[in-house]
Amino acid sequence: DTGVSQNPRHKITKRGQNVTFRCDPISEHNRLYWYRQTLGQGPEFLTYFQNEAQLEKSRLLSDRFSAERPKGSFSTLEIQRTEQGDSAMYLCASSLAGPQETQYFGPGTRLLVL
Amino acid sequence: AQTVTQSQPEMSVQEAETVTLSCTYDTSESDYYLFWYKQPPSRQMILVIRQEAYKQQNATENRFSVNFQKAAKSFSLKISDSQLGDAAMYFCAPSGGFQKLVFGTGTRLLVSP
Repeated sequence: DTGVSQNPRHKITKRGQNVTFRCDPISEHNRLYWYRQTLGQGPEFLTYFQNEAQLEKSRLLSDRFSAERPKGSFSTLEIQRTEQGDSAMYLCASSLAGPQETQYFGPGTRLLVL
Repeated sequence: AQTVTQSQPEMSVQEAETVTLSCTYDTSESDYYLFWYKQPPSRQMILVIRQEAYKQQNATENRFSVNFQKAAKSFSLKISDSQLGDAAMYFCAPSGGFQKLVFGTGTRLLVSP
């Protein structure tokens, strides 16, 4: 049983560049969440998918952010025209909808915008 | 909107001793769950324990147990027989609508030999 995987693990980019992160959930999980965690803080919710449908987006998710989950499997999170304030750890979690739903987290992608 | 307060930025405990991490929250949800997650340094978030809000019985998981006071909206984590491997950031997180998690700012647990 493989867990949630995220790639890349680290990304350094220059301000204004576009970056894309990938999350591969646990295979039978139908829900997928993206969170952002800045230094010294707890993760903050960004967006959520059930299967391929994006059902909720946080106000934190500006127009420069877009997420997709084609075919309800892996998900990508793209940040366009990166800003220094985008530097953070981006966490992905997946879960199986139901009474015992529990989110399992990936290792995260650490983004540094110079 | 949900809010979570973890009032202890850092706690220290010696090996084999017991420590309690506090968490209070506010929610308008009638049906929700509560979680404690552990984040070791530079490692991924790991589930420690979960509690269904409709259950009166406090959850236990080996050395970890919770004290859930629904009316007071309090959800503390007790770690018994602390081990060096317990050193980490601990986050309290109630779930809201569609099960999104709302995290507190965390408590850093230091464990000394």
